[in-house]
Amino acid sequence: ETGVTQTPRHLVMGMTNKKSLKCEQHLGHNAMYWYKQSAKKPLELMFVYSLEERVENNSVPSRFSPECPNSSHLFLHLHTLQPEDSALYLCASSPDAPGQVYEQYFGPGTRLTVT
Amino acid sequence: GIQVEQSPPDLILQEGANSTLRCNFSDSVNNLQWFHQNPWGQLINLFYIPSGTKQNGRLSATTVATERYSLLYISSSQTTDSGVYFCAVRIGFQKLVFGTGTRLLVSP
Repeated sequence: ETGVTQTPRHLVMGMTNKKSLKCEQHLGHNAMYWYKQSAKKPLELMFVYSLEERVENNSVPSRFSPECPNSSHLFLHLHTLQPEDSALYLCASSPDAPGQVYEQYFGPGTRLTVT
Repeated sequence: GIQVEQSPPDLILQEGANSTLRCNFSDSVNNLQWFHQNPWGQLINLFYIPSGTKQNGRLSATTVATERYSLLYISSSQTTDSGVYFCAVRIGFQKLVFGTGTRLLVSP
């Protein structure tokens, strides 16, 4: 596997379910991100992790819970979601060290539908 | 916060035509990236271009940071160029702010 991978690619869940999205990067990066893309809206940054520490949390509701066990893996745990949370969830990674180019690379996304 | 506006919002081209997409931003930025989002949602990196001009095949990009804009040129467009083009600017620590996007349809 190369680049950034995400699983599952599609997910349908009820409002009372608990599910997790997984992201894995094979680029040797040490910063990882979750973005949300809703219809007709720009991509919104949700969370940033650098060296497994959360460095940004953009006022995201607590029903979204991120986890970064190591610099290659990032999870987004979902529980008691609302229909308006239906969206494309994108994971990204980038280098994070002085002198490096901070170019972000994205995974293919998980299309989430909350029923 | 910073505003990132793209124009035009929608563009329809005949295959083989050339086009210019524009990205304006309201404040100083650390870098700028251009992406192509294909119909399946994948964001594909086109350029990392905080300033100057770069070319990659039929695509080229120019960023004039002092005037707060960037341009993406597509020459000899192909149907596979269809999708949404986003610019994104980096502000602060690792934070990318995405523009509103240009939706491109190239017809055969």
